[in-house]
Amino acid sequence: DIVMTQGALPNPVPSGESASITCQSSKSLLHSNGKTYLNWYLQRPGQSPQLLIYWMSTRASGVSDRFSGSGSGTDFTLKISSVEAEDVGVYYCQQFLEYPRTFGGGTKLELK
Amino acid sequence: EVQLVESGGGLVQPGRSLKLSCLASGFTFSNYGMNWIRQAPGKGLEWVASISSSSSYIYYADTVKGRFTISRDNAKNTLYLQMTSLRSEDTALYYCATPTGDYWGQGVMVTVSS
Repeated sequence: DIVMTQGALPNPVPSGESASITCQSSKSLLHSNGKTYLNWYLQRPGQSPQLLIYWMSTRASGVSDRFSGSGSGTDFTLKISSVEAEDVGVYYCQQFLEYPRTFGGGTKLELK
Repeated sequence: EVQLVESGGGLVQPGRSLKLSCLASGFTFSNYGMNWIRQAPGKGLEWVASISSSSSYIYYADTVKGRFTISRDNAKNTLYLQMTSLRSEDTALYYCATPTGDYWGQGVMVTVSS
């Protein structure tokens, strides 16, 4: 199984500052088709997860351009520029290259 | 508007069975694979099972293989999860979601306890 490992944030993050969340996969998620099979989600308190980024760097529909995804085949970063109150929650990375689909353990963002 | 509405959860004793449903609307359900994903209280997300649009391909997490069965009825726009031999560690909020992750239901709670 592909293991997804997420880093922690130095919480709380001051409002207006940027924050970067890291995710590492135990196997390259770069497919021969050139796409990287990684999603990022935000789960706000009491809500279902919301897709933020797919194919490692493509923003989902309606997602603020303050969110950006980058990385290589095994190391990924979700950057949030100018953190706002609505960004509070737990962020998850997920690989969809292989079954079983696997998620990172989550990274909590708290606002100062 | 895409909607996924789960139902069928509740409190069940260990070893018993329960069947979850997910009613889909707002998109052509029969064209899409679907997933079940769960979240134990205070924990992270765990993928449970996936089914292709025509039910030809089905995958399970090792933690539920042999006990859970995913299925669908495209005529009824409904996804199912039949859960048998339930254990306390199956206690979780169960979500149905599209495989692309862009649509999730609100979740249905399953509590396994005597």
